[in-house]
Amino acid sequence: AQTVTQSQPEMSVQEAETVTLSCTYDTSESNYYLFWYKQPPSRQMILVIRQEAYKQQNATENRFSVNFQKAAKSFSLKISDSQLGDTAMYFCAFMNLGAGSYQLTFGKGTKLSVIP
Amino acid sequence: DADVTQTPRNRITKTGKRIMLECSQTKGHDRMYWYRQDPGLGLRLIYYSFDVKDINKGEISDGYSVSRQAQAKFSLSLESAIPNQTALYFCATSDLVAGGTDTQYFGPGTRLTVL
Repeated sequence: AQTVTQSQPEMSVQEAETVTLSCTYDTSESNYYLFWYKQPPSRQMILVIRQEAYKQQNATENRFSVNFQKAAKSFSLKISDSQLGDTAMYFCAFMNLGAGSYQLTFGKGTKLSVIP
Repeated sequence: DADVTQTPRNRITKTGKRIMLECSQTKGHDRMYWYRQDPGLGLRLIYYSFDVKDINKGEISDGYSVSRQAQAKFSLSLESAIPNQTALYFCATSDLVAGGTDTQYFGPGTRLTVL
């Protein structure tokens, strides 16, 4: 079974600064995807970024980028130029493509607060 | 307009009652999922369906049942609700595009309280 660990229950960052959220995962699989989802106070789950394990290049979406270290099983999220609207819970998630279900295994989340 | 809708958005019920949560999507996706979110535990998979005739149990299916009425509709039922089923419930959809990523898109969630 896969596990996803987010070691930072809460973090804060000043507006316009950069913050990095950590995520590690444990798997024996080689074919998988990784995701970061954002859950603002509205409770909607919003996809932030995704990474295919077979790709060496780190994914980037505007102000959001990842540092994917496959050997270390690490998948951190960097948010640049933080904005007040980035305040939310952030969940790291793992999808094992070999399992057949395509289910997502989530970490427990990191609560990020952006301070004006 | 939302691509994935859930009804109701909030529900309070009593122990022993039967309750149904509904999910509809206009994304045209084949795959639909039900997840449960508890504080401090992230989301966990209850059931999933890859098409109308395909229903599968997830990690925590005990006490739940589902119905895939059509490609666009996937309902979750609690036959006899109990207090530890108090949680936030999410429906999600996905569609595996050739060469793409099976990304799941979530509905707005249903907050269920069982007294």
